[in-house]
Amino acid sequence: DGGITQSPKYLFRKEGQNVTLSCEQNLNHDAMYWYRQDPGQGLRLIYYSQIVNDFQKGDIAEGYSVSREKKESFPLTVTSAQKNPTAFYLCASSPTGSRYNSPLHFGNGTRLTVT
Amino acid sequence: EDQVTQSPEALRLQEGESSSLNCSYTVSGLRGLFWYRQDPGKGPEFLFTLYSAGEEKEKERLKATLTKKESFLHITAPKPEDSATYLCAVHNTNAGKSTFGDGTTLTVKP
Repeated sequence: DGGITQSPKYLFRKEGQNVTLSCEQNLNHDAMYWYRQDPGQGLRLIYYSQIVNDFQKGDIAEGYSVSREKKESFPLTVTSAQKNPTAFYLCASSPTGSRYNSPLHFGNGTRLTVT
Repeated sequence: EDQVTQSPEALRLQEGESSSLNCSYTVSGLRGLFWYRQDPGKGPEFLFTLYSAGEEKEKERLKATLTKKESFLHITAPKPEDSATYLCAVHNTNAGKSTFGDGTTLTVKP
C-alpha cells in the first residue's frame, strides 16, 4: 500500500539533545511538509519542500532543520535551540506541489517528549 | 495573514442528533478549502475539497458547504464512530501553503 511512514511513533529525548524524525513516502509526490500539533490546537507549518534539494521555512521554523536529498524522504531535525520541542509531529505530502489545490496525505505522526 | 477559525471547539451529540460545524476564513488567493478528520494519535485523513462558493460535497452522513467567508460541515444522524476531531484548512496559492484551524472535537454518545 502507498503511504507515508513516520518513525518512530514515540520518541524520548533529554533536553539539549538534537533529534531527527524520519518521514518516507512511496506515493511519488513532489511536495512534502512538516507540521507540529500541540494539544487542542491545529497544525502549524514548520518546513515544506516542493522539489528535491529545495525547501522553505513555514510559520514556526526556528529551532528546526530539514533536508530533501531524495524525493521519498524529508527528515526533520529538532535542535536544542527549539524552546518547547515536546509535541506531536506530522509529516505530509501532496502530489502536484504546494501551489496547487491538492489535499495533503498525512503520516500517523511522531510524538516527541523532551525532558 | 491567512486566518481560519473553527467553532465550536467541542461538540457533544447524542446518536442521531444532527448538527453543524463551522469554519470561517480569511485568505488571499484561495485555491481550495479542505476538511479533514483526525482520530486520536493519528494523522488527519482527507474528507472534502471545496473550490467555490455554493459548492457542496457529501459523503455518508457528512455534507460540506462553502460560502465566500465560511464553510459548514453538516452531520446528519451521527453515530458514535463519527467521533473525532474535524479540521478545516485553506490553501493560499500566493503563499503556496495551507493554513489550518484548531479543529472541532466531536463526541457522539450512543
